[in-house]
Amino acid sequence: QSALTQPASVSGSPGQSITMACTGTSSDVGGYNYVSWYQQHPGKAPKLIIYEVSNRPSGVSNRFSGSKSGNTASLTISGLQTKDEADYYCSSYTSSSTRVFGGGTKLTVL
Amino acid sequence: QVQLVQSGPEVKKPGASVKVSCRASGYTFTGYSMHWVRQAPGQGLEWMGWINPNTGGTNYAQNFQGRVTMTRDTSISTAYMELTRLRFDDTAVYYCVPESTGYGLDVWGQGTTVTVSS
Repeated sequence: QSALTQPASVSGSPGQSITMACTGTSSDVGGYNYVSWYQQHPGKAPKLIIYEVSNRPSGVSNRFSGSKSGNTASLTISGLQTKDEADYYCSSYTSSSTRVFGGGTKLTVL
Repeated sequence: QVQLVQSGPEVKKPGASVKVSCRASGYTFTGYSMHWVRQAPGQGLEWMGWINPNTGGTNYAQNFQGRVTMTRDTSISTAYMELTRLRFDDTAVYYCVPESTGYGLDVWGQGTTVTVSS
C-alpha cells in the first residue's frame, strides 16, 4: 500500500484561505468516504480535525472543512491564524481494511 | 473521558524485540479496534496495524508483516504491540489510538519512544 500523496508545503497569510490536496487511488481515497485529516504541532500527538471526508469532531473550528473528488481529498482552512501553523496529514481506509497516511503537508502562516 | 497510558521509553539494540503497552480507560475497551501508528524523527505518520480487542483479530500493514504482533488483555483493558528484529530505522515514537466514529483516530496515547542503537 503506497502512501497518499500530499504537497510537502503550503503557505498563506493570516486571514486568507488555503487548500491542500491528498491524492490516492480507487482502492483508498476514491473508493470510500473514510478520509480523515490530522493536525500535528511540533512535539505533540496528532489531533483529528476531519473524519468521513467532511465531518468535524466536536470542538474543532468550522474554519476547517474537507471535501473529495474522485481519488483526491482536500482540506481547506479559512481565516488562517498563526496557530494553524502545523503539519497536516490525511489518511484513508483501504480496500484491505487497512489505513494509509499521506506524507504530510507543512503549513506556514506568513 | 478516554485515556490511553503507554509504557515508557525503550532503548534496544539492532536485532532485539520491543513490546509496547497501552492501557485504556474511559470507554468500552472491547468495543473499538486499537490502531498503532509510528513516527520516526522528523518524518510523517506511518500506520502499522490494528487489533480488534473483542476477537483478537488483527490486520497489519504490509511493511510490518512478519515482524509485528498485536495482542490484548481484556481483563486489564491493555493492548500490546511487539516489534521484532529491530533495525536502526525503527527508531520512532509509537502511538496507540482507538478507532472512533467514521474510522477516524480521535484520542491518541502519549506516545512511546523506541530508540534502536548499538
